[in-house]
Amino acid sequence: KQEVTQIPAALSVPEGENLVLNCSFTDSAIYNLQWFRQDPGKGLTSLLLIQSSQREQTSGRLNASLDKSSGRSTLYIAASQPGDSATYLCAASMNYGGSQGNLIFGKGTKLSVKP
Amino acid sequence: DARVTQTPRHKVTEMGQEVTMRCQPILGHNTVFWYRQTMMQGLELLAYFRNRAPLDDSGMPKDRFSAEMPDATLATLKIQPSEPRDSAVYFCASGLVIWSDRGNEQFFGPGTRLTVL
Repeated sequence: KQEVTQIPAALSVPEGENLVLNCSFTDSAIYNLQWFRQDPGKGLTSLLLIQSSQREQTSGRLNASLDKSSGRSTLYIAASQPGDSATYLCAASMNYGGSQGNLIFGKGTKLSVKP
Repeated sequence: DARVTQTPRHKVTEMGQEVTMRCQPILGHNTVFWYRQTMMQGLELLAYFRNRAPLDDSGMPKDRFSAEMPDATLATLKIQPSEPRDSAVYFCASGLVIWSDRGNEQFFGPGTRLTVL
């Protein structure tokens, strides 16, 4: 059974700092890995999707990497801003049996960027 | 601006009452997912559909939960009877699967916050 873990559960950094959020998964049989952002009381916003054949994806100040062999993904945020404060969730899309395409989520990392 | 919509956004009900949550997926998407989010468990898959057919509902308590897609523009999640432990935020997500062996990006609705007293 796939398990997705995100460490740390919470992170506080000063504005302008570069930071890395970590995600690990136990089963490498994934279709893709998706990073989301969730603001308090809101839904999930898709940030980046990395297909299993890819190593990384970039969008603006965000860069996500994927290493299937080690079961790890990282989300790198450059020059963090207070507006980046949110909970960041990673999710692995599985590709076996009847579970094609459904997402297994980590518990998230709550990021706080201080002005 | 294509997005997933969900109604109602908030629902407060008493134990034993029926609750129906609705979702309109993004037009053209062929997969629909229902997730539940709680503080303790995080986000968990309840059910999902592809081309309106249910593919997996193993995450759903069968005795009280039911999920359907009456047509391509509407997905429903029903709880009958509701219990306090059902209190959570219920999210609907949709995506487009072009090849059967490839995962799709999922787009989430704003959620329905359910409180069962």
